Amino acid sequence: GQNIDQPTEMTATEGAIVQINCTYQTSGFNGLFWYQQHAGEAPTFLSYNVLDGLEEKGRFSSFLSRSKGYSYLLLKELQMKDSASYLCAVHRGSTLGRLYFGRGTQLTVWP
Amino acid sequence: EAGVTQFPSHSVIEKGQTVTLRCDPISGHDNLYWYRRVMGKEIKFLLHFVKESKQDESGMPNNRFLAERTGGTYSTLKVQPAELEDSGVYFCASSQDLSREQFFGPGTRLTVL
Repeated sequence: GQNIDQPTEMTATEGAIVQINCTYQTSGFNGLFWYQQHAGEAPTFLSYNVLDGLEEKGRFSSFLSRSKGYSYLLLKELQMKDSASYLCAVHRGSTLGRLYFGRGTQLTVWP
Repeated sequence: EAGVTQFPSHSVIEKGQTVTLRCDPISGHDNLYWYRRVMGKEIKFLLHFVKESKQDESGMPNNRFLAERTGGTYSTLKVQPAELEDSGVYFCASSQDLSREQFFGPGTRLTVL
């Protein structure tokens, strides 16, 4: 299978910055998705990185290094509502639309 | 625009019974996916439809699982007969094309007793 690793849990305080890392080992890598999932709800799309580098979208940014098999999601100016599970998912070109997920990182934001 | 919807939201059945899960994708999305999350594990792919055709069903656990997408609109996933290890959350997702984001439904939580 695909080895996709991310920390199980992280905590941070409101207003802070947090970086959630994801490492992967896969053949035929095409791109990497980040999703946010609140308890009992649908995972919602945050970002998709195909090329190396940082992509910024408001308070959230995502980075990819294809050579290192590494990505991170950076969340700035944390808010209580950012408490959720963050899922890293790899897309392989050889397996069409199928996504390979990590187990998710449960982020808790404290006041 | 309506999102991906799934029915039911929860289902509790006994081992050996049959359950059918339904997914309505976003209108116009040809690609429809089924995933499953077993407690404590990652979300895992089950299968992928393009319109009414099964493009990839390599993730289906065994022949107790049957997915259909007649007419290329909504899809059903039937488990018959259900076993204890089938418990988990079943997610459906849809996308316009293969390289774009997949939109997920809220999932169906299946409990097999």
